Amino acid sequence: DAGITQSPRHKVTETGTPVTLRCHQTENHRYMYWYRQDPGHGLRLIHYSYGVKDTDKGEVSDGYSVSRSKTEDFLLTLESATSSQTSVYFCAIKGRVSTDTQYFGPGTRLTVL
Amino acid sequence: GQQLNQSPQSMFIQEGEDVSMNCTSSSIFNTWLWYKQDPGEGPVLLIALYKAGELTSNGRLTAQFGITRKDSFLNISASIPSDVGIYFCAGLTRDDKIIFGKGTRLHILP
Repeated sequence: DAGITQSPRHKVTETGTPVTLRCHQTENHRYMYWYRQDPGHGLRLIHYSYGVKDTDKGEVSDGYSVSRSKTEDFLLTLESATSSQTSVYFCAIKGRVSTDTQYFGPGTRLTVL
Repeated sequence: GQQLNQSPQSMFIQEGEDVSMNCTSSSIFNTWLWYKQDPGEGPVLLIALYKAGELTSNGRLTAQFGITRKDSFLNISASIPSDVGIYFCAGLTRDDKIIFGKGTRLHILP
């Protein structure tokens, strides 16, 4: 158990509204990641963080922003949600012992109507 | 960009059968990872491979790091109902990012 929680676990929202997803970890990991999972695409990296206030873009970052003001929290924000952002969102942390691996949270299912 | 081609996309097998799936890429990876995802949950790491040619087992699961560094294989022996799920391969890039395959969905027939 990597001590990762995500909130909310499910959310339904309307197009054009802002949405913030939260990833919380209890083990002081430096690296945190946000992925989205869609049928036919597998897992794709949105943004990642390598420390407090240090973030960078991933493969599919358009329409998303992130913030990390504390080690334990990594927030993903959709400034103006679109239907194409309907997806399952996973947070992950880099392993501390096995640094080449990542461990995932339980996911947030987001539906944008 | 770098891509992983995972096959097959889905498999239907009888309980007790052995399973084989693979992942190939046009790029070299220094680390290969295999994850399993159960419905409604996040992917869980099964096996990590760090060396070309390496063969690693985890219970009934065996994975191999291809000698060319461009492929990896996962075998499951004597499948059981709880093996149902989606299996993802993943490779670690030089800039420390993980690229995932699109997954193999395993179905087990009673």
